[in-house]
Amino acid sequence: AQSVTQLGSHVSVSEGALVLLRCNYSSSVPPYLFWYVQYPNQGLQLLLKYTTGATLVKGINGFEAEFKKSETSFHLTKPSAHMSDAAEYFCAVSENSGGYQKVTFGTGTKLQVIP
Amino acid sequence: GAGVSQSPSNKVTEKGKDVELRCDPISGHTALYWYRQSLGQGLEFLIYFQGNSAPDKSGLPSDRFSAERTGGSVSTLTIQRTQQEDSAVYLCASSLEWRGSRETQYFGPGTRLLVL
Repeated sequence: AQSVTQLGSHVSVSEGALVLLRCNYSSSVPPYLFWYVQYPNQGLQLLLKYTTGATLVKGINGFEAEFKKSETSFHLTKPSAHMSDAAEYFCAVSENSGGYQKVTFGTGTKLQVIP
Repeated sequence: GAGVSQSPSNKVTEKGKDVELRCDPISGHTALYWYRQSLGQGLEFLIYFQGNSAPDKSGLPSDRFSAERTGGSVSTLTIQRTQQEDSAVYLCASSLEWRGSRETQYFGPGTRLLVL
C-alpha cells in the first residue's frame, strides 16, 4: 500500500525567503508523484508531477521538486517566496491499482508568507 | 475550456436530511473521482468511476453514501440521513485516461457541506 507523509502541517516563511515543503512517500512500485496547490475556497490545482526521466521537475509559479529514490522523498522548493504563494500544498503518490490510477494524498501543508 | 464544475458550492442542511452533490467533469474525461476533505485532514478517497461503472467504492464511509454516474459524464453523490460528522468539503476530480497512473486529476472547486 502506498502512503504519503508531509512533515509540518504549517510552514511560515518571510517574503523572499526559500520555500521548502517536505514530502516522503512509500510505494511498492516505482511511483508517480504530484504536488497540488489549493487556494482558499478553491479546488486543487496541479503544480508539478514526476513520472519518469529527469528527477528534477519544474512546475508553475517557480516551484520545483526533486525525486530522490534513495530517500523516498519529493520535496517542493521555491527560491523566493511571494505573498501569492500562501496556500495549502498537497503531495500525492499514484500507482496502478487493479487496473486504474489510485492516488493517495498527504494531509497537506499550509504555507504562510510573512511580509 | 470548461473545467470541472460542482454544485451547489455550499450546502447547509439539518441532521437527518438527504443531500445530493453534483459533479460535471471535463468533457471527454473517462475517470471521475470523489474525495472528502475534512478540517485538518487530507483528502479522503470516496469512490472512483470508470465510465458509468464504479469499480472501487472502498472509500465510501457508510451505506448512507452512494454515487452514480450517467452518460459517462455527470456524477451525483448522495448522502442519506446526514450526520454532523458528514460536514466537510466534497471534491470531485476527473482525468482523461483511467488506465494510466501518471494522469493529472483536475479538481472542481468543491461543495462545502455543513450539517447542523
